[in-house]
Amino acid sequence: GDSVTQMEGPVTLSEEAFLTINCTYTATGYPSLFWYVQYPGEGLQLLLKATKADDKGSNKGFEATYRKETTSFHLEKGSVQVSDSAVYFCALSLTSGTYKYIFGTGTRLKVLA
Amino acid sequence: DSGVTQTPKHLITATGQRVTLRCSPRSGDLSVYWYQQSLDQGLQFLIQYYNGEERAKGNILERFSAQQFPDLHSELNLSSLELGDSALYFCASSPPSGGAGEQYFGPGTRLTVT
Repeated sequence: GDSVTQMEGPVTLSEEAFLTINCTYTATGYPSLFWYVQYPGEGLQLLLKATKADDKGSNKGFEATYRKETTSFHLEKGSVQVSDSAVYFCALSLTSGTYKYIFGTGTRLKVLA
Repeated sequence: DSGVTQTPKHLITATGQRVTLRCSPRSGDLSVYWYQQSLDQGLQFLIQYYNGEERAKGNILERFSAQQFPDLHSELNLSSLELGDSALYFCASSPPSGGAGEQYFGPGTRLTVT
């Protein structure tokens, strides 16, 4: 069935380090892909999205490229800040026939000063 | 601020009781989604409504029900509450673009069942 798999956390990095959070998906159709971020005590916020193969989503220094050949949508940032500490969720949506929106389990990121 | 509002922010109740959570979507959004977030099960999709009609069902228990009203606000009713129902409940809405687009989440309602 359709699914999203994220790397387990927590991921702990020093400030200004390079970040990669892996996300792979399985889908029977042609999904749109998303990264959401959840800061402590808050709801999820859309971080970036990509709707077709080879699209690159970007926002606030974060990037992710829709790779159909590897069914991946890895999140990257060149230089993380303490304020990036949060839980990051990869998600997909499919609308062929019936609606389906699937979230990964989330990856907690801790950035140390 | 996503534009999605949820009330109440916190709710403490006893086992066996019934509660109602309320959600108002962003202006112009027709879809409302409900999610449950617990520590051991992550983010679970419960149910979706589109313009007053149920569109999709996820892992929603029979003790739970929801509806979307003509003004597009939605309510999630949880009955015969159990300790395991303690969780964060999020509502999200999305623009009327077919339901495949981004979702905008409310701040959540934290339910504690004692």
